[in-house]
Amino acid sequence: AQRVTQPEKLLSVFKGAPVELKCNYSYSGSPELFWYVQYSRQRLQLLLRHISRESIKGFTADLNKGETSFHLKKPFAQEEDSAMYYCALEGWGAQKLVFGQGTRLTINP
Amino acid sequence: GAGVSQSPRYKVAKRGQDVALRCDPISGHVSLFWYQQALGQGPEFLTYFQNEAQLDKSGLPSDRFFAERPEGSVSTLKIQRTQQEDSAVYLCASSTYREDLGGYTFGSGTRLTVV
Repeated sequence: AQRVTQPEKLLSVFKGAPVELKCNYSYSGSPELFWYVQYSRQRLQLLLRHISRESIKGFTADLNKGETSFHLKKPFAQEEDSAMYYCALEGWGAQKLVFGQGTRLTINP
Repeated sequence: GAGVSQSPRYKVAKRGQDVALRCDPISGHVSLFWYQQALGQGPEFLTYFQNEAQLDKSGLPSDRFFAERPEGSVSTLKIQRTQQEDSAVYLCASSTYREDLGGYTFGSGTRLTVV
């Protein structure tokens, strides 16, 4: 069964501190993994995807197949990073995303 | 329009009432998805259309839920005889076929409250 686990519902860090949002997944094959973000009063939007290997707004995520993890990281948090973050998985050939429960990130000034 | 449009934004229904939620995807987007997001949870897949064909409805929780996309553009999610457990935000998303792998554009959602 496909499953995405985000162990932290809430995460609070100070501005300028490093941020790591954890994501673990369960999938028997090679999944595609994504991070979505929802800022206050805005719609859910794609932040980054594993296959692009991009850095968006200073965030990066590395797929660790051994640990089945896809943690989201940023070296220096900014106040505008405060939002709800969802990790999601798409199985090969499947046209649907499986989401984690989300982590609410708060950046304190 | 420039984005995925959903209506209504909010819907309050009495238990037992039928509701219809509308999604207007980005023009030309072949794929359309419906997700259900309960309070404090991540979105959960309901159903997927490629043009007018409903290719996956494995996530629909019961036969009270029905979705259609008759002309391959606008889609309607219908819930018959609503129950309190149907209260959630219903999200619609669209994408071009496989070119934007997983990079769906989401609408703002319809918040359904069943009282």
